[in-house]
Amino acid sequence: AQTVTQSQPEMSVQEAETVTLSCTYDTSESDYYLFWYKQPPSRQMILVIRQEAYKQQNATENRFSVNFQKAAKSFSLKISDSQLGDAAMYFCAYRWDYGGSQGNLIFGKGTKLSVKP
Amino acid sequence: ETGVTQTPRHLVMGMTNKKSLKCEQHLGHNAMYWYKQSAKKPLELMFVYNFKEQTENNSVPSRFSPECPNSSHLFLHLHTLQPEDSALYLCASSQDGSGRAAYEQYFGPGTRLTVT
Repeated sequence: AQTVTQSQPEMSVQEAETVTLSCTYDTSESDYYLFWYKQPPSRQMILVIRQEAYKQQNATENRFSVNFQKAAKSFSLKISDSQLGDAAMYFCAYRWDYGGSQGNLIFGKGTKLSVKP
Repeated sequence: ETGVTQTPRHLVMGMTNKKSLKCEQHLGHNAMYWYKQSAKKPLELMFVYNFKEQTENNSVPSRFSPECPNSSHLFLHLHTLQPEDSALYLCASSQDGSGRAAYEQYFGPGTRLTVT
Protein backbone atom coordinates (compact mmCIF):
# COMPACT_ATOMS: atom_id res chain seq x y z
CA ALA A 1 0.00 0.00 0.00
CA GLN A 2 1.13 3.52 -0.72
CA THR A 3 1.60 5.68 2.35
CA VAL A 4 2.87 9.15 3.16
CA THR A 5 4.49 9.90 6.51
CA GLN A 6 5.15 13.28 8.05
CA SER A 7 7.05 12.66 11.26
CA GLN A 8 6.90 16.22 12.59
CA PRO A 9 3.43 17.10 13.94
CA GLU A 10 4.59 20.63 14.77
CA MET A 11 7.50 22.85 13.83
CA SER A 12 8.48 26.37 14.73
CA VAL A 13 10.72 28.86 12.96
CA GLN A 14 11.87 32.39 13.60
CA GLU A 15 10.83 34.97 11.05
CA ALA A 16 13.44 35.33 8.27
CA GLU A 17 15.03 31.99 9.15
CA THR A 18 14.93 28.72 7.22
CA VAL A 19 12.94 25.63 8.14
CA THR A 20 12.74 22.16 6.63
CA LEU A 21 9.66 19.95 6.82
CA SER A 22 10.14 16.21 6.39
CA CYS A 23 8.12 13.75 4.35
CA THR A 24 8.72 10.13 3.46
CA TYR A 25 6.57 7.89 1.33
CA ASP A 26 6.28 4.26 0.44
CA THR A 27 5.53 3.06 -3.05
CA SER A 28 6.54 0.40 -5.54
CA GLU A 29 5.69 2.65 -8.49
CA SER A 30 8.37 4.35 -10.55
CA ASP A 31 6.20 7.08 -12.06
CA TYR A 32 4.52 9.41 -9.62
CA TYR A 33 4.16 12.96 -8.46
CA LEU A 34 4.78 14.51 -5.08
CA PHE A 35 3.18 17.67 -3.74
CA TRP A 36 3.32 20.01 -0.82
CA TYR A 37 0.03 21.70 0.06
CA LYS A 38 -0.42 24.55 2.51
CA GLN A 39 -3.57 25.03 4.60
CA PRO A 40 -3.62 28.38 6.43
CA PRO A 41 -5.99 28.97 9.34
CA SER A 42 -8.58 30.23 6.82
CA ARG A 43 -8.63 26.56 5.68
CA GLN A 44 -8.33 26.88 1.92
CA MET A 45 -5.71 24.38 0.83
CA ILE A 46 -3.34 25.61 -1.86
CA LEU A 47 -0.55 23.92 -3.77
CA VAL A 48 2.91 25.11 -2.81
CA ILE A 49 5.14 23.00 -5.00
CA ARG A 50 5.13 19.80 -7.05
CA GLN A 51 7.82 17.34 -8.12
CA GLU A 52 7.73 14.81 -10.92
CA ALA A 53 9.50 11.60 -9.92
CA TYR A 54 11.17 11.26 -13.32
CA LYS A 55 12.91 14.62 -12.89
CA GLN A 56 16.19 14.57 -10.99
CA GLN A 57 16.26 18.31 -10.52
CA ASN A 58 14.66 19.53 -7.32
CA ALA A 59 11.66 21.81 -7.81
CA THR A 60 11.79 25.40 -6.58
CA GLU A 61 9.13 28.08 -6.27
CA ASN A 62 10.52 31.36 -4.98
CA ARG A 63 11.29 30.80 -1.26
CA PHE A 64 10.10 27.18 -1.39
CA SER A 65 12.28 24.32 -2.54
CA VAL A 66 12.31 20.58 -2.14
CA ASN A 67 14.98 17.98 -1.54
CA PHE A 68 13.78 14.96 -3.47
CA GLN A 69 15.67 11.74 -2.76
CA LYS A 70 14.00 9.07 -4.87
CA ALA A 71 16.05 6.14 -3.63
CA ALA A 72 15.39 7.08 -0.04
CA LYS A 73 11.75 7.94 -0.82
CA SER A 74 12.16 11.25 0.88
CA PHE A 75 10.61 14.58 -0.12
CA SER A 76 11.38 17.44 2.25
CA LEU A 77 10.24 21.05 1.91
CA LYS A 78 12.57 23.92 2.67
CA ILE A 79 11.14 27.37 3.35
CA SER A 80 13.71 30.14 3.21
CA ASP A 81 13.33 33.62 4.69
CA SER A 82 10.22 32.52 6.59
CA GLN A 83 7.39 35.01 6.80
CA LEU A 84 4.47 35.30 9.20
CA GLY A 85 2.15 34.34 6.36
CA ASP A 86 3.87 30.98 6.07
CA ALA A 87 2.25 29.84 9.31
CA ALA A 88 -0.08 27.00 8.35
CA MET A 89 -0.56 23.26 8.18
CA TYR A 90 1.61 21.72 5.50
CA PHE A 91 0.60 18.47 3.87
CA CYS A 92 2.78 16.23 1.79
CA ALA A 93 0.92 14.26 -0.87
CA TYR A 94 1.66 11.54 -3.41
CA ARG A 95 -0.04 10.39 -6.58
CA TRP A 96 1.05 7.64 -8.94
CA ASP A 97 0.96 8.16 -12.67
CA TYR A 98 1.40 5.48 -15.29
CA GLY A 99 0.42 5.08 -18.91
CA GLY A 100 -2.12 7.85 -18.87
CA SER A 101 -3.79 6.64 -15.68
CA GLN A 102 -3.47 8.47 -12.41
CA GLY A 103 -4.08 7.46 -8.87
CA ASN A 104 -5.76 9.56 -6.23
CA LEU A 105 -3.89 11.89 -3.93
CA ILE A 106 -2.62 10.29 -0.75
CA PHE A 107 -1.89 12.75 2.04
CA GLY A 108 0.27 12.70 5.12
CA LYS A 109 -1.10 13.80 8.48
CA GLY A 110 0.41 17.24 8.16
CA THR A 111 2.91 19.44 9.98
CA LYS A 112 1.75 22.56 11.77
CA LEU A 113 4.26 25.34 11.18
CA SER A 114 4.41 28.33 13.51
CA VAL A 115 6.40 31.45 12.62
CA LYS A 116 7.70 33.58 15.47
CA PRO A 117 8.11 37.33 14.93
CA GLU B 1 -16.82 33.98 -7.87
CA THR B 2 -13.58 32.30 -8.71
CA GLY B 3 -11.99 28.97 -7.87
CA VAL B 4 -13.90 26.46 -5.80
CA THR B 5 -16.67 27.58 -3.48
CA GLN B 6 -18.47 25.62 -0.79
CA THR B 7 -21.66 26.33 1.12
CA PRO B 8 -22.45 26.43 3.91
CA ARG B 9 -19.16 27.18 5.65
CA HIS B 10 -20.50 25.92 8.98
CA LEU B 11 -23.26 23.44 9.70
CA VAL B 12 -24.64 22.03 12.93
CA MET B 13 -27.11 19.22 12.59
CA GLY B 14 -28.79 16.61 14.73
CA MET B 15 -28.46 12.92 14.06
CA THR B 16 -31.95 12.72 12.58
CA ASN B 17 -31.61 15.70 10.25
CA LYS B 18 -31.10 15.71 6.51
CA LYS B 19 -28.83 18.35 5.03
CA SER B 20 -26.75 18.90 1.92
CA LEU B 21 -23.33 20.38 1.27
CA LYS B 22 -22.77 22.19 -1.98
CA CYS B 23 -19.60 22.67 -4.00
CA GLU B 24 -19.18 24.69 -7.17
CA GLN B 25 -16.08 25.08 -9.30
CA HIS B 26 -15.55 27.94 -11.75
CA LEU B 27 -12.36 26.58 -13.29
CA GLY B 28 -13.69 24.52 -16.17
CA HIS B 29 -12.44 21.30 -14.61
CA ASN B 30 -13.93 17.89 -15.29
CA ALA B 31 -13.15 16.05 -12.07
CA MET B 32 -14.47 16.79 -8.58
CA TYR B 33 -13.73 15.27 -5.19
CA TRP B 34 -15.06 15.09 -1.65
CA TYR B 35 -12.59 14.73 1.21
CA LYS B 36 -13.10 14.39 4.95
CA GLN B 37 -10.59 16.09 7.23
CA SER B 38 -10.63 15.02 10.86
CA ALA B 39 -8.26 16.16 13.58
CA LYS B 40 -4.95 14.32 13.66
CA LYS B 41 -5.82 12.14 10.67
CA PRO B 42 -4.78 12.37 7.02
CA LEU B 43 -7.28 13.72 4.56
CA GLU B 44 -9.60 10.91 3.58
CA LEU B 45 -10.83 10.74 0.02
CA MET B 46 -14.54 9.97 -0.03
CA PHE B 47 -15.77 10.27 -3.60
CA VAL B 48 -14.42 11.10 -7.05
CA TYR B 49 -16.45 12.21 -10.03
CA ASN B 50 -14.93 12.37 -13.50
CA PHE B 51 -17.06 13.83 -16.28
CA LYS B 52 -20.05 13.54 -13.91
CA GLU B 53 -19.54 9.82 -13.45
CA GLN B 54 -18.62 8.49 -10.05
CA THR B 55 -15.28 6.75 -10.41
CA GLU B 56 -14.46 6.18 -6.77
CA ASN B 57 -16.37 5.45 -3.60
CA ASN B 58 -13.83 4.96 -0.89
CA SER B 59 -15.93 2.65 1.32
CA VAL B 60 -18.00 5.56 2.54
CA PRO B 61 -21.11 4.76 4.67
CA SER B 62 -24.41 5.10 2.86
CA ARG B 63 -25.48 7.97 5.13
CA PHE B 64 -23.28 10.07 2.83
CA SER B 65 -24.75 10.33 -0.65
CA PRO B 66 -22.98 12.30 -3.40
CA GLU B 67 -24.58 13.89 -6.42
CA CYS B 68 -22.89 15.45 -9.43
CA PRO B 69 -25.50 16.93 -11.80
CA ASN B 70 -22.87 18.53 -14.04
CA SER B 71 -19.12 19.02 -14.11
CA SER B 72 -19.35 22.31 -12.18
CA HIS B 73 -21.48 21.23 -9.23
CA LEU B 74 -21.08 18.59 -6.57
CA PHE B 75 -23.33 17.87 -3.62
CA LEU B 76 -22.98 15.72 -0.54
CA HIS B 77 -26.32 14.72 0.93
CA LEU B 78 -26.24 13.86 4.61
CA HIS B 79 -28.78 11.89 6.62
CA THR B 80 -28.81 10.16 10.01
CA LEU B 81 -25.21 11.09 10.69
CA GLN B 82 -23.24 10.10 13.78
CA PRO B 83 -21.20 12.37 16.07
CA GLU B 84 -17.99 10.83 14.70
CA ASP B 85 -18.92 12.30 11.31
CA SER B 86 -18.14 15.75 12.67
CA ALA B 87 -15.25 17.05 10.57
CA LEU B 88 -14.21 19.51 7.91
CA TYR B 89 -15.49 18.43 4.50
CA LEU B 90 -13.41 19.65 1.61
CA CYS B 91 -14.33 19.75 -2.03
CA ALA B 92 -11.70 19.85 -4.76
CA SER B 93 -11.59 19.90 -8.53
CA SER B 94 -9.00 19.18 -11.19
CA GLN B 95 -8.56 18.89 -14.90
CA ASP B 96 -8.25 15.15 -15.24
CA GLY B 97 -6.85 13.52 -18.31
CA SER B 98 -4.06 11.47 -19.76
CA GLY B 99 -0.44 12.14 -20.36
CA ARG B 100 2.42 13.31 -18.28
CA ALA B 101 1.00 16.19 -16.34
CA ALA B 102 0.65 16.88 -12.67
CA TYR B 103 -2.99 17.84 -12.58
CA GLU B 104 -3.27 20.06 -9.57
CA GLN B 105 -6.30 19.77 -7.34
CA TYR B 106 -7.87 23.06 -6.33
CA PHE B 107 -9.60 23.00 -2.98
CA GLY B 108 -12.57 24.86 -1.60
CA PRO B 109 -12.57 26.43 1.88
CA GLY B 110 -14.49 23.54 3.38
CA THR B 111 -17.66 23.07 5.43
CA ARG B 112 -17.18 22.62 9.16
CA LEU B 113 -19.79 20.03 10.14
CA THR B 114 -20.83 19.35 13.72
CA VAL B 115 -23.21 16.50 14.44
CA THR B 116 -24.95 16.74 17.81
